[in-house]
Amino acid sequence: DQQVKQNSPSLSVQEGRISILNCDYTNSMFDYFLWYKKYPAEGPTFLISISSIKDKNEDGRFTVFLNKSAKHLSLHIVPSQPGDSAVYFCAARRVNYGGSQGNLIFGKGTKLSVKP
Amino acid sequence: GAGVSQSPSNKVTEKGKDVELRCDPISGHTALYWYRQSLGQGLEFLIYFQGNSAPDKSGLPSDRFSAERTGGSVSTLTIQRTQQEDSAVYLCASSPAGTANSPLHFGNGTRLTVT
Repeated sequence: DQQVKQNSPSLSVQEGRISILNCDYTNSMFDYFLWYKKYPAEGPTFLISISSIKDKNEDGRFTVFLNKSAKHLSLHIVPSQPGDSAVYFCAARRVNYGGSQGNLIFGKGTKLSVKP
Repeated sequence: GAGVSQSPSNKVTEKGKDVELRCDPISGHTALYWYRQSLGQGLEFLIYFQGNSAPDKSGLPSDRFSAERTGGSVSTLTIQRTQQEDSAVYLCASSPAGTANSPLHFGNGTRLTVT
């Protein structure tokens, strides 16, 4: 049972345009969501996150949107740059009793290619 | 500062042999995770250590897999009697404080190939 789903394995975008990466989740108990970027032969690096009490978080060219009723989140990158080409993972977490972090569940990733 | 360090970076082993993978987390990070990524797949959770609490082992795929974290720092993931389906990149991550908004910091992984 996949709790975090990234249904698009790949996405190709022209440099300067907007990249939109989508993620769906099934567990309504998740209350924190994160996006990671991964280059080949490297570990994933943290990109941006959002708490379930918010519907938008922006950091420079990156914006994450959360639609709790639809159990859907998306990552927008604008303008897209060739250096953004990587695999993007969506991840979700549930806060445990007492406030400690729970396990982080990842999607399968979307490979973004930004063409010059 | 130093990030999460994993060793070896690559490991080739014969089916049936045991392997040990090592993770040095970022100093002071109380949470430590092991994930693996098989070819074409996402990140599969294996095990999670948080301070002195009992580890969350719910992701370990079989009893051939085990992990320890000594002194709240270095962790070792052991795979006994390796099988070809164990071939994957094994990723370790650590996190400060263990609070919900603490992102994970990943190492570069150990690529395990079982022949």
